[in-house]
Amino acid sequence: AQSVTQPDARVTVSEGASLQLRCKYSYSGTPYLFWYVQYQRQGLQLLLKYYSGDPVVQGVNGFEAEFSKSDSSFHLRKASVHWSDSAVYFCAASMESSGSWQLIFGSGTQLTVMP
Amino acid sequence: GGIITQTPKFLIGQEGQKLTLKCQQNFNHDTMYWYRQDSGKGLRLIYYSITENDLQKGDLSEGYDASREKKSSFSLTVTSAQKNEMAVFLCARGLGGAETLYFGSGTRLTVL
Repeated sequence: AQSVTQPDARVTVSEGASLQLRCKYSYSGTPYLFWYVQYQRQGLQLLLKYYSGDPVVQGVNGFEAEFSKSDSSFHLRKASVHWSDSAVYFCAASMESSGSWQLIFGSGTQLTVMP
Repeated sequence: GGIITQTPKFLIGQEGQKLTLKCQQNFNHDTMYWYRQDSGKGLRLIYYSITENDLQKGDLSEGYDASREKKSSFSLTVTSAQKNEMAVFLCARGLGGAETLYFGSGTRLTVL
C-alpha cells in the first residue's frame, strides 16, 4: 500500500544546531514529493517540492531536502535552525493510483527549537 | 497571490448536530479539498472537487457531505457530529494532479 512515514513525532534541537527530519515513502514508482510547514493555529505552507532532476532541492528559509530513490526517502535538512522554525513539518507524496493522483501526508514531526 | 478563507475559525456543536464548514477561494483554482487533521495522525482526505458540481470521496468521507455549487466555494457538512471527531478541518485549493496545495488556516471543531 502507498504510504508516507515520518518516524519522529517530536524533535527538539538547540538554536543554531543542524536539523534533519526524516521521511520515507512506499510506492513502486517515483512520486512527487513535498514538505509543508504548519505554524501554530495556521494552515500548511509549502517549504519545497521535488518533481525530477537534481535530488537536492532548495526551499524557503534555508531548508533543503534530498530525494533518494534507493532509500525511498526525502529527508528535510537545515544547517542552522532558528527559534522561529518551531512548527509541525509534514512530508507528503503524490502517487498515482488507478489513473488518478493521490496526495498522501505523513503524520507530521513537531519541531521545537530551544533558545 | 490568492486567498483561501475558511469560516468559522472555531465551531462548537452538540453531539448529533448537523454542522457546516465553509471555504472560499478567489484564485480561480479548479480543484478544492477538505482534509481532517487529528493530532499525531497527519492529514486525511475527506472530499475533493475537480470543478463546480463535482464531488469525489476521499478515504474519510463517511459521516460527511460536501457541496461545490460555485467554483469559488466548497462546503463540508458533518451530518451528525460525534465527540470523536473533534479535529481541525483544513480546506485547500490547487490545480489538480500532483501540483502544490494552498491551505486555509482551518476550522477547529469541538463537539460537546
